[in-house]
Amino acid sequence: NAGVTQTPKFRVLKTGQSMTLLCAQDMNHEYMYWYRQDPGMGLRLIHYSVGEGTTAKGEVPDGYNVSRLKKQNFLLGLESAAPSQTSVYFCASSAWGEQYFGPGTRLTVT
Amino acid sequence: AQTVTQSQPEMSVQEAETVTLSCTYDTSESDYYLFWYKQPPSRQMILVIRQEAYKQQNATENRFSVNFQKAAKSFSLKISDSQLGDAAMYFCACADGLTFGKGTHLIIQP
Repeated sequence: NAGVTQTPKFRVLKTGQSMTLLCAQDMNHEYMYWYRQDPGMGLRLIHYSVGEGTTAKGEVPDGYNVSRLKKQNFLLGLESAAPSQTSVYFCASSAWGEQYFGPGTRLTVT
Repeated sequence: AQTVTQSQPEMSVQEAETVTLSCTYDTSESDYYLFWYKQPPSRQMILVIRQEAYKQQNATENRFSVNFQKAAKSFSLKISDSQLGDAAMYFCACADGLTFGKGTHLIIQP
């Protein structure tokens, strides 16, 4: 039972490049989330999904897109990366109000 | 919109003593969950304790307990017999974790 996994763990992008972060969970959870964590800011919700085929905006959605084509996967895309998107990104899934977090992805945009 | 406030950016406690971390929140939900998460330097988010708002009894997990005051919208975490391994960032979160506080950095003095 792997829980929540994230790919990749680290990435460096140049401004304007695009990339996709993959989150996968094997717990059959309906709810999945993408957060970013910046120093002194805690975790801020980017987008979330309440089930396969659904997505919704969180607190800081600008510059990001998401897709939930399969229940177990939640993808976060950056179409044109900016230095302000340098952050640690966490994925989580939840059931019965309890969230399970992935190990995080450290993204640096230069 | 939900808001979560942690008013203590940093706390320090002597090993084996007791420390209380504060959290206040605001939500329009009538039924919700509250959480405390621990984030050690490894970056992994670890659930410490969960409280269901409809339950009046305060949740307890070994050395960790909460003081849940629903009317005051207060949800503090008490750590008894502090250990060196308790040193970490602690985040309070409301509902399904959609809103996190900015965190409290807990330092354990040996």
